Amino acid sequence: SYELTQPPSVSVSPGQTARITCSGEALPKKFVYWYQQKSGQAPVMVIYEDNKRLSRIPERFSGSASGTMATLTISGAQVEDEADYYCYSAGISGNPSFGPGTKLNIL
Amino acid sequence: EVRLVESGGTWVQTGGSLRLSCVASGFNFSNYWMSWVRQAPGQGLEWVGRIKDRADGETTHYAAPVKGRFTISRDDSTKMLFLEMNSLRGEDAGVYYCTTETQYWGHGTLVTVSP
Repeated sequence: SYELTQPPSVSVSPGQTARITCSGEALPKKFVYWYQQKSGQAPVMVIYEDNKRLSRIPERFSGSASGTMATLTISGAQVEDEADYYCYSAGISGNPSFGPGTKLNIL
Repeated sequence: EVRLVESGGTWVQTGGSLRLSCVASGFNFSNYWMSWVRQAPGQGLEWVGRIKDRADGETTHYAAPVKGRFTISRDDSTKMLFLEMNSLRGEDAGVYYCTTETQYWGHGTLVTVSP
């Protein structure tokens, strides 16, 4: 199956910028989606097609992609942003995969 | 309001079968590719499989661990998505989500598999 790589955890203080990376060999050709999952809840899409954001998602969430890496940036992270974040993308063969997830700690 | 509501999750013995259902409302279900995603206890998200819409032939695709054992189907007239699971294994246990793989997700239904 197609493999996406994410760091296990990222820690920032409230108000700082958090960056979560996702790497995969097909990313130059496939869109990346980012999901936020809080404990005991269903995932919520925060970024789609590399860098687009639905209107209900706070503006502090942004996405970018370059080459084989995509980045989710949370500018001015809030305590309520503490969650697991997953990247998601399709491999060259077509079947999609989720990354292993990154736990964002707001200390 | 968009809703996806899964049902059918329960305890099942290893080797057994189970059928999960998902009913959709609030969006044009027939125009969407629909998928199942699962999450084992304490683990990450895992894509299970997908069924495309009628325009794309309702083609199905499955993740390698479930291919040949799981079958996804849909009924656009009732806005329902199904997941037929056979030869269940311990590693199939977890919460199963019905989703459009984008902004719409259900709250999940729990499948427990034990000897």
